[in-house]
Amino acid sequence: DTAVSQTPKYLVTQMGNDKSIKCEQNLGHDTMYWYKQDSKKFLKIMFSYNNKELIINETVPNRFSPKSPDKAHLNLHINSLELGDSAVYFCASSQARGGRAPYEQYFGPGTRLTVT
Amino acid sequence: QKEVEQNSGPLSVPEGAIASLNCTYSDRVSQSFFWYRQYSGKSPELIMSIYSNGDKEDGRFTAQLNKASQYVSLLIRDSQPSDSATYLCAVSLQSGYSGGGADGLTFGKGTHLIIQP
Repeated sequence: DTAVSQTPKYLVTQMGNDKSIKCEQNLGHDTMYWYKQDSKKFLKIMFSYNNKELIINETVPNRFSPKSPDKAHLNLHINSLELGDSAVYFCASSQARGGRAPYEQYFGPGTRLTVT
Repeated sequence: QKEVEQNSGPLSVPEGAIASLNCTYSDRVSQSFFWYRQYSGKSPELIMSIYSNGDKEDGRFTAQLNKASQYVSLLIRDSQPSDSATYLCAVSLQSGYSGGGADGLTFGKGTHLIIQP
């Protein structure tokens, strides 16, 4: 009964391709996030999204776009992949409105993207 | 620019001793503070959250928050070799009880902790 899951776990692709990473959470949370962890292990927010608001980190290229079919899913679509996009991408979720543990974010297992 | 600063280490602590991890943050309006543990090749795992000044204890872990000094710390008592990992400090502008969308977490670069058997 995985709380936050991501697919695929590994993704190897060539420059210029378009790819998607899928994320699902079964925690009943209303907010989901995408983070990027680079080769130096620095973890940085890319997007946060609930059914009302998308917050985009201004440093994220517009080749990256989150797509949410419903509250439990937030996919990450990447166009025209570049070498610098190689990283580990983590999905996370939290309950943004009150609750017993507000804003505690729980992370998925990560997707290691390698662009060649 | 929100920043979270941590000593990258490695911090080496003998087994059974207290490990002390420190973190400072730049944005004075930050409201929520978290410690995550990350093993190599794994995802960040939430250990502690703290929202108000003072200490918060959970098992062998104690988080300490001083908003006036913009300082957060994590103490690990009776350190075990399995505690060896990278510890990430994270802050958020959200208080947790307000409405609206959720801000992402701003992470420090992490402190690599080694517990020596």
